[in-house]
Amino acid sequence: DVKVTQSSRYLVKRTGEKVFLECVQDMDHENMFWYRQDPGLGLRLIYFSYDVKMKEKGDIPEGYSVSREKKERFSLILESASTNQTSMYLCASSFGQGERIDQPQHFGDGTRLSIL
Amino acid sequence: GEDVEQSLFLSVREGDSSVINCTYTDSSSTYLYWYKQEPGAGLQLLTYIFSNMDMKQDQRLTVLLNKKDKHLSLRIADTQTGDSAIYFCAETPGSYNTDKLIFGTGTRLQVFP
Repeated sequence: DVKVTQSSRYLVKRTGEKVFLECVQDMDHENMFWYRQDPGLGLRLIYFSYDVKMKEKGDIPEGYSVSREKKERFSLILESASTNQTSMYLCASSFGQGERIDQPQHFGDGTRLSIL
Repeated sequence: GEDVEQSLFLSVREGDSSVINCTYTDSSSTYLYWYKQEPGAGLQLLTYIFSNMDMKQDQRLTVLLNKKDKHLSLRIADTQTGDSAIYFCAETPGSYNTDKLIFGTGTRLQVFP
């Protein structure tokens, strides 16, 4: 079974702090994704990565950066946390280049982040 | 651009059928998916359908696709309390590589006894 593990289920930080959210997958997937989930807005893509050290902006990259130094790990960084970044953050991974359409994206359990 | 829409809430009685609807705008979408999110968890793939199909059945789940109207639905037969969750439809936008997914807003299904 594919396992996508997010380092924290709940996290509380203060405005202005630098925040790191970590995600690890064990299926040797090429692609990794970070989303945020807000009520009534569904999932919005922040960043995704299709290879080590490669990244592309999603729909809402402002205020975030990412790092992918190893294939299995994808980190989301809030450079200076603000209260409007309080949300549920979901990490996902998938095979690359349209492989395994029957296994599109596998998700972690999410990190509920509160910025005070 | 791509947009995927769903109603936000659905409430059904246990044992009845549930129908969750989704509309999308990208007519070149090749695959469409349904995910389920239980409370406190991530998304779990339920089923998918190719754009050249109009129906797919998998045990209690039936997916119907109307390509002309760009309408996708998920029917759950004999709905149980364990089906209470948020259901997301998602499409692979034809204009991009197939690795990205565009998600709907999610429909919260509540099943009452």
